[in-house]
Parts: sequence; C-alpha cells; structure tokens
Amino acid sequence: SQQGEEDPQALSIQEGENATMNCSYKTSINNLQWYRQNSGRGLVHLILIRSNEREKHSGRLRVTLDTSKKSSSLLITASRAADTASYFCATDGGQGAQKLVFGQGTRLTINP
Amino acid sequence: SQTIHQWPATLVQPVGSPLSLECTVEGTSNPNLYWYRQAAGRGLQLLFYSVGIGQISSEVPQNLSASRPQDRQFILSSKKLLLSDSGFYLCAWSSMGTQYFGPGTRLLVL
Repeated sequence: SQQGEEDPQALSIQEGENATMNCSYKTSINNLQWYRQNSGRGLVHLILIRSNEREKHSGRLRVTLDTSKKSSSLLITASRAADTASYFCATDGGQGAQKLVFGQGTRLTINP
Repeated sequence: SQTIHQWPATLVQPVGSPLSLECTVEGTSNPNLYWYRQAAGRGLQLLFYSVGIGQISSEVPQNLSASRPQDRQFILSSKKLLLSDSGFYLCAWSSMGTQYFGPGTRLLVL
C-alpha cells in the first residue's frame, strides 16, 4: 500500500489565500519530501524535511513534520495562479536514500 | 549543472509491438536511476531502480524490463506491449536522497 497519503485529494481556492495540504505515512522515515507536478510534466522537488526537524521554510512554502503522528503538512502562503499543480509527498520508508514512495497527490487549483 | 533527458515525449504504439524508452543524465556520475509509471490523476508507481551499471531492481512484476548499459543511460523496454502499459513514464536520478525527474514520456497503447 502507499506509504504517503495526501489529503485532500483536490483543493480549489482563490488567489491570495493560503493552501494547506496534508500527508500521512505509515512507517518510520529518515526524511519526507514534497514535490510539485505541473500537468503533463515531470516532478520538481520543493523541500526536504528530516525526521529530526519539525518545521522548515522555503520562500512561500512552510512544511511541518510530526513524527509522533506520522504526518506532514505543506502550506503555501499568498497563493498565485501559477501555483496550480499537483503536490506529492514522498518518504524513504526509513530504508535510506535509494527509494522513495510517493502518495497519490493533492490537485491544487488557484482561481484568479 | 545536471540535466536529465527522456525521449520520445509522446508515443503511440499498437498492442503487441515492442517498446524502448531512453533516459540519459548529464553532469553527474554513478547516479541512482529510476523508472516510474503514473496513471492519469494518480501517484507514481516505482517500476525499476538501478544503483550502477548492469544493476537493476524490479519493484513490481510486469510486462516491462529495464537495462543500464552505461553509467548515465537507463532504458525501459517491452517485447510485447499490452493495453495496460499505457501511461506516463518518468525517469529520475537521485542525489543525497532527493530525486530529479525528466520531462516524461506519454505512452498510449492502442
């Protein structure tokens, strides 16, 4: 079964609002990553958070990690139409850096 | 800087025909390489990964095979395509646990 599960599956908000996406996983991890995919394109790495970190920022992105609840959230502040994409979390399952397991993704639509 | 190439971008093939998708990486040596398949609106399914030349790990039983004839070349193949092989195929390489993806190949088997 999938290691990472994103919630919600789809999210539609107005430009300027904040978007929050959640990810839950099942096994222990070394790190958790978030990726973005524009329609019909490859995935782009956004941010990596290690298991000993609780929060990380990158520009308008804020990621939190709660290893006790096996969950992570991605917050995009002041959303823009260009943020419209699918967002995936990925975990290494505690097996090291060789393999990642991706969730099903959250489809985010920013309405102008 | 590192770049990753995939070709072709789009492919339409009849059932029963062979397949060869190629992925090459530039600007790095001895990368881990990966092949994923993505169904429409879904997440990524890891098909194969390789930690070195000639070393291939298969993640799921299927109609596909992979080869790594050179350090920075990863090939996905099939002898006879099935309808269920249709999908979006992504190649990736990794560094320090982060994966970097190619643009993908959309395969339609008719």
